[in-house]
Amino acid sequence: EAQVTQNPRYLITVTGKKLTVTCSQNMNHEYMSWYRQDPGLGLRQIYYSMNVEVTDKGDVPEGYKVSRKEKRNFPLILESPSPNQTSLYFCASGPALTEAFFGQGTRLTVV
Amino acid sequence: DQQVKQNSPSLSVQEGRISILNCDYTNSMFDYFLWYKKYPAEGPTFLISISSIKDKNEDGRFTVFLNKSAKHLSLHIVPSQPGDSAVYFCAASGSGTYKYIFGTGTRLKVLA
Repeated sequence: EAQVTQNPRYLITVTGKKLTVTCSQNMNHEYMSWYRQDPGLGLRQIYYSMNVEVTDKGDVPEGYKVSRKEKRNFPLILESPSPNQTSLYFCASGPALTEAFFGQGTRLTVV
Repeated sequence: DQQVKQNSPSLSVQEGRISILNCDYTNSMFDYFLWYKKYPAEGPTFLISISSIKDKNEDGRFTVFLNKSAKHLSLHIVPSQPGDSAVYFCAASGSGTYKYIFGTGTRLKVLA
């Protein structure tokens, strides 16, 4: 079954404690991306990757890092989380510049 | 500054009637537009897309219209069904980029 898998689905953490949200896709897609969804702001792109070792900033990259060492995985790293990074995060993947498949989401709370 | 705007936060429509969801954009470099549907506790799912070389694209009950001069696109759902009740997001990207800008979403409620 084609899918984008994010882990964990829910996470509560404390300010400053490094965390990683994993994202894996089984469709051999080149394009992967991370978004955050906040009330009244819709979905905002954090980072995206066009292929292995090729990443670029989206609209709201501050406070986040990503890596793309292999095609199927695209982890999102928060080196020093802050409360304003409390959000619902989605990973997406797609075949080149077309519609993307989204994961189920990760609800992150930073206290 | 919001480059992609969905000015109606919510919309209610009777089952069987047409639902029209609107989206405006400000960046004339956008040339590819998408609509996504999102149910609670799920990730968005792709519905339909349109490139700027077209002004209409149809897929079953869903049709997207693009008016480039007005920088406006709309999604028509005919006939609307209760299962269409969800939040709808429009998104736009510029040529050759993987950078997508999303609107804030419109919550559609289809009344049985």
